[in-house]
Amino acid sequence: AQSVTQLGSHVSVSEGALVLLRCNYSSSVPPYLFWYVQYPNQGLQLLLKYTTGATLVKGINGFEAEFKKSETSFHLTKPSAHMSDAAEYFCAVRGSGGSNYKLTFGKGTLLTVNP
Amino acid sequence: DSGVTQTPKHLITATGQRVTLRCSPRSGDLSVYWYQQSLDQGLQFLIQYYNGEERAKGNILERFSAQQFPDLHSELNLSSLELGDSALYFCASSVAVEPTGELFFGEGSRLTVL
Repeated sequence: AQSVTQLGSHVSVSEGALVLLRCNYSSSVPPYLFWYVQYPNQGLQLLLKYTTGATLVKGINGFEAEFKKSETSFHLTKPSAHMSDAAEYFCAVRGSGGSNYKLTFGKGTLLTVNP
Repeated sequence: DSGVTQTPKHLITATGQRVTLRCSPRSGDLSVYWYQQSLDQGLQFLIQYYNGEERAKGNILERFSAQQFPDLHSELNLSSLELGDSALYFCASSVAVEPTGELFFGEGSRLTVL
C-alpha cells in the first residue's frame, strides 16, 4: 500500500520568496509521484510527475520537484513566489505494481502568498 | 478546461434522500475515478471503472454505488444521505489503465446535506 504525508497544512510566503512544500511517501514498490494544484472552486490540475529517469522534474508555472529515494521525499519548490501561486497543493503517489492505478493523495498544503 | 464534465455543480438535499452525480470523461479516456473531498478526510478514493467494469474500490460506503455506461460516462449514486456525506465529489479520467498516466479532474459536484 502507498501513502503520502504532506508536512504543513498551511505555508505562507512573501511574494518573490522561495516556495518549499514538503511531501514524504511510503511505498512498497517503486513509486510514481505527482503534484497537483487546486485553485478555489476548481478541480485539480497536474503540476508535474515523476515516473522514471531524471530525479529532478520540472513542471508548469516554474515549479519543480526532486525525487529522493533515500529520504522517501518528493518536495515541491519554486524559486520566486507569485501572487497567482496561492492555492492548495496535493502530493500523490501511485504504486508501479499491480493493476490498481488509483492515486493516493496527501491532505494538501494551502499556500498563501503575501504582497 | 480538463475536458471532464461533472453535473450538477451544486446540490442541496435533505438527510435520507438519494442523489445521482454524473461524470463525462475526456474524449477517449476509458478509465473513470471518483474521489470525495472533505475538510477532515481530505481527498479519499472511492471507486474506479475501466471500460465499463469496476477496477478498484476504496473507502466507498455501502450506501454509495457507481457504474460506467457503454458511452463511458459514469454515475455515482448516494443514498440514505447523512449530514457527514456533505463534501465535494470529484470525477477524474485517464486515457488507459497505466501507472504513469495522470488523472484529469472535473470541477467537482458540491453536495450539501441538510
